[in-house]
Amino acid sequence: SQQGEEDPQALSIQEGENATMNCSYKTSINNLQWYRQNSGRGLVHLILIRSNEREKHSGRLRVTLDTSKKSSSLLITASRAADTASYFCATWGNNRLAFGKGNQVVVIP
Amino acid sequence: DAGVIQSPRHEVTEMGQEVTLRCKPISGHDYLFWYRQTMMRGLELLIYFNNNVPIDDSGMPEDRFSAKMPNASFSTLKIQPSEPRDSAVYFCATSAALGTEAFFGQGTRLTVV
Repeated sequence: SQQGEEDPQALSIQEGENATMNCSYKTSINNLQWYRQNSGRGLVHLILIRSNEREKHSGRLRVTLDTSKKSSSLLITASRAADTASYFCATWGNNRLAFGKGNQVVVIP
Repeated sequence: DAGVIQSPRHEVTEMGQEVTLRCKPISGHDYLFWYRQTMMRGLELLIYFNNNVPIDDSGMPEDRFSAKMPNASFSTLKIQPSEPRDSAVYFCATSAALGTEAFFGQGTRLTVV
């Protein structure tokens, strides 16, 4: 079954810097979504990009999608301490929403 | 709407005991998903329902796991008998339609000792 997979990295950045994380997946998708999870909480939806879109913006978030490479990236600009969380990509395909393993981002004030 | 509501938030039980996790979906959402999250395996889809009907239960690990959705406002995930390796955070999530954003509950942290 398909599954989004983030680059297995933990990011530690200074407040104000940009944070970029990547995700790759294996099969065809209808859309790709990014979620955030704060420690001990449920996942919160951030942004959705459809398979026929290449880039999407939402506030300080920028998502790209390259279906030829089966990859996506999430950029958080001007990071804040409150952005400290785990970030997951998720792909809709074969009538399933499958999640990657997540990227831990720590923003140092 | 209060969002997806799960109970209990924490559950500690002894091996061999029955555990029942509960979920109240967002009203009007036709899809309900049960996920399990562990450090080793990440988020795994266990089962999902559409209009109260189980559609895909291929992620249910063993016969010890069962899930029901008797009506549009309630679902349960039961583990009987529980084992230490079942320790994880179990999430319920719902969506209005396939392919749309999923709304997650706060999860139930299960510890089986």
